[in-house]
Amino acid sequence: AQSVTQLGSHVSVSEGALVLLRCNYSSSVPPYLFWYVQYPNQGLQLLLKYTTGATLVKGINGFEAEFKKSETSFHLTKPSAHMSDAAEYFCAVSEGTDSWGKLQFGAGTQVVVTP
Amino acid sequence: DAGVTQSPTHLIKTRGQQVTLRCSPISGHKSVSWYQQVLGQGPQFIFQYYEKEERGRGNFPDRFSARQFPNYSSELNVNALLLGDSALYLCASSRTGYTEAFFGQGTRLTVV
Repeated sequence: AQSVTQLGSHVSVSEGALVLLRCNYSSSVPPYLFWYVQYPNQGLQLLLKYTTGATLVKGINGFEAEFKKSETSFHLTKPSAHMSDAAEYFCAVSEGTDSWGKLQFGAGTQVVVTP
Repeated sequence: DAGVTQSPTHLIKTRGQQVTLRCSPISGHKSVSWYQQVLGQGPQFIFQYYEKEERGRGNFPDRFSARQFPNYSSELNVNALLLGDSALYLCASSRTGYTEAFFGQGTRLTVV
């Protein structure tokens, strides 16, 4: 069985400061890992994904995440926060071809950016 | 290109009623998945369909059912609505089912 834990339901960062959102997963097979962003009253938009290969993954809007198998983590970072980054962020895991694309989501982290 | 489209965007139903939600995938995508997102929580997987066959089912009661049509669009049906069914219902499409999933804007269902 797969599961995702996002540490911190709310994160407040100053504009220009580092954004760090934490995600830990469990999976019985090599996982596929994803970060999605959700703006109010909208669907989910994919920020980045890890399937195989390079463990440091770059995504849209300046975000990146690093897959660390030994720590079962996939933390999301952005060097400098913008006001437009205020949204809810979801980490998700899939067991790849074994699960036919079923995504298991974390509970989400709400990001607030202060001027 | 059009993204994943869902209809309606909002609806209000009474307890005990039945509801049908619709989803049109991105052109060329053969897989559709449905998720329920209760306020303040992450999306929960309900169903996945690929080539009109059910490929996965989440931990939801039999009141929830779905189907996929030859044009790959999909419907999610919920019978005997409960207050707890109030949520944002998200549809996602992908080419094969285990490639990148693209989400629609969702249907906000309120049960009163």
